[in-house]
Amino acid sequence: GAGVSQSPRYKVAKRGQDVALRCDPISGHVSLFWYQQALGQGPEFLTYFQNEAQLDKSGLPSDRFFAERPEGSVSTLKIQRTQQEDSAVYLCASSLFVGATSNEAQHFGDGTRLSIL
Amino acid sequence: AQSVTQLGSHVSVSEGALVLLRCNYSSSVPPYLFWYVQYPNQGLQLLLKYTSAATLVKGINGFEAEFKKSETSFHLTKPSAHMRDAAEYFCAVSGLVYNQGGKLIFGQGTELSVKP
Repeated sequence: GAGVSQSPRYKVAKRGQDVALRCDPISGHVSLFWYQQALGQGPEFLTYFQNEAQLDKSGLPSDRFFAERPEGSVSTLKIQRTQQEDSAVYLCASSLFVGATSNEAQHFGDGTRLSIL
Repeated sequence: AQSVTQLGSHVSVSEGALVLLRCNYSSSVPPYLFWYVQYPNQGLQLLLKYTSAATLVKGINGFEAEFKKSETSFHLTKPSAHMRDAAEYFCAVSGLVYNQGGKLIFGQGTELSVKP
């Protein structure tokens, strides 16, 4: 079956430009997560959606970062006025999260590699 | 608060040798623990997870990990390394925290090299 799909795979932007990264989760997955992975580091949590509700955005590094999931399926991570420190791989993950447990494995996309010049 | 420490950013073994990747965690709630593998230019693939059902967890590709509460450890092992095991490995922890949906806290990763 189809996995988590992210687009574009690679994005190059000039400093100051706005970018939008798309995530298409596995069909039926309630939970969706965004992570940022700097070169040589482990992924770091950015934000979490349960259906269309953004329940946790504690990891977003600044107010230049904005995420949405308006219909509870596809999600977009937008970065405004990009800076060089935004260069990283942005990973999206989804899980079949039902109830209060948090042990459902997350399924990751291949990521979007963002380079800010 | 939760955190993960992976001891050793690079591990090199010979093909056929034992693989041991170390992970220690800190968690204020009962933890759920995961090992993921990442190949170049790809996302993360789940190897195995601990969810309190059994302390010895078997995963894909011959890997297994043992949860040791007294040592706060969840080390990953494989009896015999293959060339195809060369990749980056991440240990991660999550916990039962309301409205966080199981967000993962990752370690820094261990790069495994396998020599012929």
